[in-house]
Order: sequence, then C-alpha cells, then structure tokens
Amino acid sequence: AQRVTQPEKLLSVFKGAPVELKCNYSYSGSPELFWYVQYSRQRLQLLLRHISRESIKGFTADLNKGETSFHLKKPFAQEEDSAMYYCALSHLNAGNMLTFGGGTRLMVKP
Amino acid sequence: DAGVIQSPRHEVTEMGQEVTLRCKPISGHNSLFWYRQTMMRGLELLIYFNNNVPIDDSGMPEDRFSAKMPNASFSTLKIQPSEPRDSAVYFCASSLVAGWAGELFFGEGSRLTVL
Repeated sequence: AQRVTQPEKLLSVFKGAPVELKCNYSYSGSPELFWYVQYSRQRLQLLLRHISRESIKGFTADLNKGETSFHLKKPFAQEEDSAMYYCALSHLNAGNMLTFGGGTRLMVKP
Repeated sequence: DAGVIQSPRHEVTEMGQEVTLRCKPISGHNSLFWYRQTMMRGLELLIYFNNNVPIDDSGMPEDRFSAKMPNASFSTLKIQPSEPRDSAVYFCASSLVAGWAGELFFGEGSRLTVL
C-alpha cells in the first residue's frame, strides 16, 4: 500500500535559517512525488513536482529512491514561507489520485 | 475561470441532520476528487470520479457518506445522518488527467461543524 509520512507536524525556524521539511514514502511502483502548499486563507496549491527538477520560490526537493525520501529544502527561509506544506504521491494508474502526508506547518519567525 | 467552486463555505448543523456539500470543477477537467482535512488525520481522499464515473470510493468512511456527479460540472457529497466526528474541512479538487501528472486544483473548502 502507498503511504506518505511527514514526521514533523510543526517546524519553527528564524528568518534566514535553512529549512528542511521531511517526507518519506512507501510505494510499490515508480513514484511521482509532489509538494503542495497552503498559505493562510488561500487554496491548497501545487508547489513543485520531482519530475520537473525545478526550484520554486527558492525551494527544491530531490527524490532519493534509496532512502524513499523527498525532502523539501530552502537555504534561507523567509517570513512569507510560513504555511502548511503537504507531500503527496501520485497514482498514475489511478487518474492522478494523490495520497497526501499529514502535513507540516512551517513557521518562520522574524 | 474562477477555479473550483465549493459551497457552502461554512456549515454548522446538529447531529443527525443531513448535510450536502457542492462542488463545481474547472471547466474541461475530467477528474474530480473529494478530500477531508482534519488535524488528526491530515488530508484523506474520500472518493474520486473520472468522466463523471466513481472510480474509487474506498476512502468513504461509512454508508452515511455518499457522493454523486450527475454531470461534468457538478458534484455533491452528502452526509446523512451527520455526527460530530464528521466535523472537518471538505475539499473538492479537479484535474485534467491528460495533463501534467499530479496537479490537482483545489477549491477553498467547506468547513463543517456538527454539534
């Protein structure tokens, strides 16, 4: 069965500090992994996907199949990064159905 | 496009009452998903439709929950009878299956409180 685990419910850092939001997965097939973000009073939205190998708002995430991880990183956190972050795994054989992790709330303090 | 539209945004009801949540997906999208968000369990998939047909409803908690999609532009999630443990934010999302994998477009959610 597929599962996405985000071990930290809350992560608090100071502005300018590095950030790493952890995500581990279990999936029998070849995974497609994503990070979604929900800013205060906004809709849940896609932040980035591993297949694009892109950096969005300074965030990057590398898929490590050996460690079954897809951690989200940013070298210097900004206050506007404060939000709820969800790691998600896609079931490509199931019409884009996504399994989400429990989410991590990131708080960036001034 | 206004995106995925959900109604009502907030609903407060008493235990035992029927609750109906509504969703209008983005025009042209052919997959629709209902998720439930709680503090304890995060985002859980309840059911999803492809071309208006329910594909996987294994996440529906019990028979009190039902979902329909009578046409490509409308879906409902019904809880009858409602219970306090159903209190949560219910999200609807849509996607274009043929598009980029994994990009779901979410509505603003319906916050349900069952007293």
